Amino acid sequence: DAGVTQSPTHLIKTRGQHVTLRCSPISGHKSVSWYQQVLGQGPQFIFQYYEKEERGRGNFPDRFSARQFPNYSSELNVNALLLGDSALYLCASRFTGTANTEAFFGQGTRLTVV
Amino acid sequence: GQSLEQPSEVTAVEGAIVQMNCTYQTSGFYGLSWYQQHDGGAPTFLSYNALDGLEETGRFSSFLSRSDSYGYLLLQELQMKDSASYFCAASNQAGTALIFGKGTTLSVSS
Repeated sequence: DAGVTQSPTHLIKTRGQHVTLRCSPISGHKSVSWYQQVLGQGPQFIFQYYEKEERGRGNFPDRFSARQFPNYSSELNVNALLLGDSALYLCASRFTGTANTEAFFGQGTRLTVV
Repeated sequence: GQSLEQPSEVTAVEGAIVQMNCTYQTSGFYGLSWYQQHDGGAPTFLSYNALDGLEETGRFSSFLSRSDSYGYLLLQELQMKDSASYFCAASNQAGTALIFGKGTTLSVSS
């Protein structure tokens, strides 16, 4: 069975540009969450979607947005990129929408903003 | 706010036992999870404690004390491959997100 897949694996963008990151959850999982992880820190929650609805949003600016599609895949969009947006972006899927169950993480997208 | 505190680094030798602690301040606490992350890799789930006490899974054990807002992860019979970062995480009040600590980097030497 395929795990959580994310694309692209690496990305280099210039300040001010826009980026779209993609995530396919494990088959049957209806919840997708996005996390940002900067070097030396733990993952920081950005968004959670369950059954195509936004269920939670972390403390990130409005430049960050996301959506979930009918097949439960998800996109994370970041506008007007800043150097500080350079990080590993992780997607996690769950069967249910609650955070007290096991989350399965993808390998992440390494975003570098120059 | 919500925060979880973990020691930044722990070192140990192969075959030893190591305990990694986590103290937390969260509202609407549901339980404490532990994740392992190797350099450049995806975090992988190790354990979850919803109730006080010890949970054992092979070489890994996790403990939770709600009254002390404290938990730990215990690794026995350490192996070189256990060198990684270990994160404790608690769910937020809405139960929609995991709040992670900054992680403990474990270095296992021979």
